[in-house]
Amino acid sequence: QVVLQESGPGLVKPSQTLSLTCAVSGGSISESNYYWSWIRQAAGKGLEWIGRVYFTGKTTYNPSLERRITMSVDTSKNQFSLNLNSLTTADTAVYYCARGQWEQLIWFFDVWGRGTLVTVSS
Amino acid sequence: DIQMTQSPSSLPASVGDRVTITCRASQNIRSHLNWYQQKPGEAPKLLIYAASALHSGVPSRFSGSGSGTDFILTISSLQSEDFATYSCQQSYSTPYTFGQGTKLEIK
Repeated sequence: QVVLQESGPGLVKPSQTLSLTCAVSGGSISESNYYWSWIRQAAGKGLEWIGRVYFTGKTTYNPSLERRITMSVDTSKNQFSLNLNSLTTADTAVYYCARGQWEQLIWFFDVWGRGTLVTVSS
Repeated sequence: DIQMTQSPSSLPASVGDRVTITCRASQNIRSHLNWYQQKPGEAPKLLIYAASALHSGVPSRFSGSGSGTDFILTISSLQSEDFATYSCQQSYSTPYTFGQGTKLEIK
């Protein structure tokens, strides 16, 4: 059973860079039919897809955040990461990592981390 | 971006009720539609993928239908553990987008 676990700071200051890591256990991050995504949810709001990374390092980002995001994968550690720079209070949210799976020619998120709350405040 | 609109935003219901939640896409997404359940303080859980395929381990009282722009999630007989927020998500094109959520509440 694959388990995802997010880690990172719970509090960051405005204008700084957020760095989060998602550790994958119970399976390999290098399996070819999976993408690895970050998704966030501000309090009382809907879910927002941030982007995804493939085990080769190929990335796809949400255009609304693209200028501020970098995602990467470390296959030796079986983990992937998110960097989000130029933070504002609008980036305060619970950040989830999730596995994207491909079946019947359709992508869906079948495994999620528990989420980590990130608060942007001075 | 493809906009996903759910209705209603909140739905009071009772145990044993049959409930339906609607999701509308701003353009044709064929069957690239997934449904998730989320309880307070927890991560979302996949219920339905490809509009109508039941994810492994999900009770058969959950079902999904639709294609194109209009989709429905149905719970045939509501159980106490089903009170939660339900969100649809399109995976037809990036950026993937979610509906705003439908909160199923105890009447």
